[in-house]
Amino acid sequence: QQPVQSPQAVILREGEDAVINCSSSKALYSVHWYRQKHGEAPVFLMILLKGGEQKGHEKISASFNEKKQQSSLYLTASQLSYSGTYFCGTEWGNYGQNFVFGPGTRLSVLP
Amino acid sequence: EAGVAQSPRYKIIEKRQSVAFWCNPISGHATLYWYQQILGQGPKLLIQFQNNGVVDDSQLPKDRFSAERLKGVDSTLKIQPAKLEDSAVYLCASSPFGVGRSRETQYFGPGTRLLVL
Repeated sequence: QQPVQSPQAVILREGEDAVINCSSSKALYSVHWYRQKHGEAPVFLMILLKGGEQKGHEKISASFNEKKQQSSLYLTASQLSYSGTYFCGTEWGNYGQNFVFGPGTRLSVLP
Repeated sequence: EAGVAQSPRYKIIEKRQSVAFWCNPISGHATLYWYQQILGQGPKLLIQFQNNGVVDDSQLPKDRFSAERLKGVDSTLKIQPAKLEDSAVYLCASSPFGVGRSRETQYFGPGTRLLVL
């Protein structure tokens, strides 16, 4: 039930791009992305809904392939502040009643 | 707007003792979640409330964990008795909307770090 995230960890230089993937064996209703910095609570990044609607609050983009039950988070021109662990959360069920976070991808951005 | 409040922030207990955590969600938020996050893992949903009713508690170890949300506002999560494997951060989150539509943004509290010795 838990989605698979890849890679497990990635190290970047400031200004480089990164892609984090999330895949599920379930027919997904939506995919959520959160970032958690060390010792802090997760912070919302984006929701991708079945049917293509996308909602986000930061300059980070994502895609949702409903046929493959996969989502990708795109971090372009990374900044030091992007460092942290990224979790995808997946909803499934007729009205999205089930929800589970993935194991996380640790991103480190170096100067 | 005040965020999600949790207390205590840290707790150290011995195994077989009891412990309780408190959460006050953002005002007006209908949905409240409790998560358990073990070091190095993603948050695991323990229980979800909509107002004062339980929506999902399928992953709550009911033999030792209990939760309530009286009056549909703040909530308490209890562990009795605690085991070593309960050592984790317990996160509370809230969101504005209820069941029947996709979970919207979840706003997380700072968490309670529990260490069971």
